[in-house]
Amino acid sequence: TQLLEQSPQFLSIQEGENLTVYCNSSSVFSSLQWYRQEPGEGPVLLVTVVTGGEVKKLKRLTFQFGDARKDSSLHITAAQPGDTGLYLCAGAPSGGSNYKLTFGKGTLLTVNP
Amino acid sequence: NAGVTQTPKFRILKIGQSMTLQCTQDMNHNYMYWYRQDPGMGLKLIYYSVGAGITDKGEVPNGYNVSRSTTEDFPLRLELAAPSQTSVYFCASSYSRIGDTQYFGPGTRLTVL
Repeated sequence: TQLLEQSPQFLSIQEGENLTVYCNSSSVFSSLQWYRQEPGEGPVLLVTVVTGGEVKKLKRLTFQFGDARKDSSLHITAAQPGDTGLYLCAGAPSGGSNYKLTFGKGTLLTVNP
Repeated sequence: NAGVTQTPKFRILKIGQSMTLQCTQDMNHNYMYWYRQDPGMGLKLIYYSVGAGITDKGEVPNGYNVSRSTTEDFPLRLELAAPSQTSVYFCASSYSRIGDTQYFGPGTRLTVL
């Protein structure tokens, strides 16, 4: 079983601060996805990273895939209250015909105005 | 497009009762999934389907059954409900195999008393 560890589990910050959340594993993934989930709703995909060392930017969000494709990070610059939510990383296994994504437990982010 | 729709949104069951959670997608996706989400535990895959007539077990299938008679519908059946099945259930779909974007429904909050 491939496990994804997310840290921190909870994060409460003030508007305007920067933050980084992490997604780590001992397993190699062919791709890694980040989702954001707001209360009472299903997760929504933010980004997919595929290549080791890849960096993707989505406005104030920067996503990085580790060189060895075992870990990823999400950095938010100048956080806003609208960034509040549960951030989930999900990894697709490397090789084989496994159709199952592995999800981390998530980082619950609260941005206070 | 409505995307992925789930019914009901909320349900309270007594121990031993049965029910079916409905899931429909209008995106002509081949792949469909059922997850459960418990507080602080991320998403656990219950069952998935790679096309009409084809289903397979995920990580936590015990106590559940599924069927996939059409591309659009993927109902989840709970037989003999137990308190351990209290959770939020999400249905998701994707166009192709693992690594593709998964589109989630709004969820069904189930309580078993």
